[in-house]
Amino acid sequence: SQELEQSPQSLIVQEGKNLTINCTSSKTLYGLYWYKQKYGEGLIFLMMLQKGGEEKSHEKITAKLDEKKQQSSLHITASQPSHAGIYLCGATNRDDKIIFGKGTRLHILP
Amino acid sequence: NAGVTQTPKFRVLKTGQSMTLLCAQDMNHEYMYWYRQDPGMGLRLIHYSVGEGTTAKGEVPDGYNVSRLKKQNFLLGLESAAPSQTSVYFCASSYRPEVTGELFFGEGSRLTVL
Repeated sequence: SQELEQSPQSLIVQEGKNLTINCTSSKTLYGLYWYKQKYGEGLIFLMMLQKGGEEKSHEKITAKLDEKKQQSSLHITASQPSHAGIYLCGATNRDDKIIFGKGTRLHILP
Repeated sequence: NAGVTQTPKFRVLKTGQSMTLLCAQDMNHEYMYWYRQDPGMGLRLIHYSVGEGTTAKGEVPDGYNVSRLKKQNFLLGLESAAPSQTSVYFCASSYRPEVTGELFFGEGSRLTVL
């Protein structure tokens, strides 16, 4: 079965600094999703990547999918307190299942 | 706009009791999912449905049953609750996730089994 590994598990950064979160799949992906979850709340969709080498941006958040479609990175530029939360990558292999990684907890220090 | 609504939001059960979680969506979505979220485990897929009358097993289906009798509702049942089923349960729906990538999530249902 497919597994998604996220790293790091937890991240503490100073406000204004850049950061990167990684997501690695054990299999080639059909679609890779990034979601954000504020503590104790539901998930909010950030973006979906499907093509090898694809890159998308949402405000100060940029996500890339590698050419082999097995690894994605999420980059936040000039982090703000509003970026704090749990970031989860999700994936599908066109079998209607959407599975998620274990998440990365992001804390922003003022 | 209601979106995805989960009922109840909180519940405490004793071991062996049964209960049903209701997920209702008003967006005419075909796809619906039930996940559980435990500390350090991310979201794990329990069951899902690709349309009215269909259900399929996810990653952790044991101990749960589901039904999708109406397109807008997806029910998750626990026949005999166990402490290991203490978790936060999230329902999600989507029109065509392989195209849009977007799942719409409910606010979660926190279940404690004593």
